[in-house]
Amino acid sequence: QKEVEQNSGPLSVPEGAIASLNCTYSDRVSQSFFWYRQYSGKSPELIMSIYSNGDKEDGRFTAQLNKASQYVSLLIRDSQPSDSATYLCAVPGGSYIPTFGRGTSLIVHP
Amino acid sequence: DTGVSQDPRHKITKRGQNVTFRCDPISEHNRLYWYRQTLGQGPEFLTYFQNEAQLEKSRLLSDRFSAERPKGSFSTLEIQRTEQGDSAMYLCASSALNGGVGYTFGSGTRLTVV
Repeated sequence: QKEVEQNSGPLSVPEGAIASLNCTYSDRVSQSFFWYRQYSGKSPELIMSIYSNGDKEDGRFTAQLNKASQYVSLLIRDSQPSDSATYLCAVPGGSYIPTFGRGTSLIVHP
Repeated sequence: DTGVSQDPRHKITKRGQNVTFRCDPISEHNRLYWYRQTLGQGPEFLTYFQNEAQLEKSRLLSDRFSAERPKGSFSTLEIQRTEQGDSAMYLCASSALNGGVGYTFGSGTRLTVV
């Protein structure tokens, strides 16, 4: 059973702060990792992908990967109220079928 | 529009009726996936196609569910004899063969069984 675990939250941060979202996974053969943002009532939208250990930055977003610890995280710098959403971690296994975590709800308050 | 399209956006049906959803993937994507999502949960895998072949089905996909992808283009997901527990968002996604640059979702079909 391939598992992807996320804290459901909600994670509440003030505007301008750094939001840190975490994800652990069980399938050691996974080689790619994705973060999706999902607004209420909408479908998931891809915001970050990471394939190698270390950090990958894209604008205000930084994805961090540690394959040895089977851990991937997403940092959002200078959080804005428009970042309030559920963030889903997706981990494809050997057959490239993504398994999703339940998502972490982020609330950025002014 | 080069995204993933799903139709209808919303469907309300009476228990026991059959429903069919359609998904048009990104044209150059070989793979098409169906997921189901309920409130407070992440998307749960149902089935996927590589071109026209249905290669894997989740145990969530009971015998009341059937999916097709004729000619490797659009796909349909049919639910027969709907139950209230089938109420959910049904999401379609597509990707290249190994999903390397990610999986693109359609807007989803919200099913309500009354």
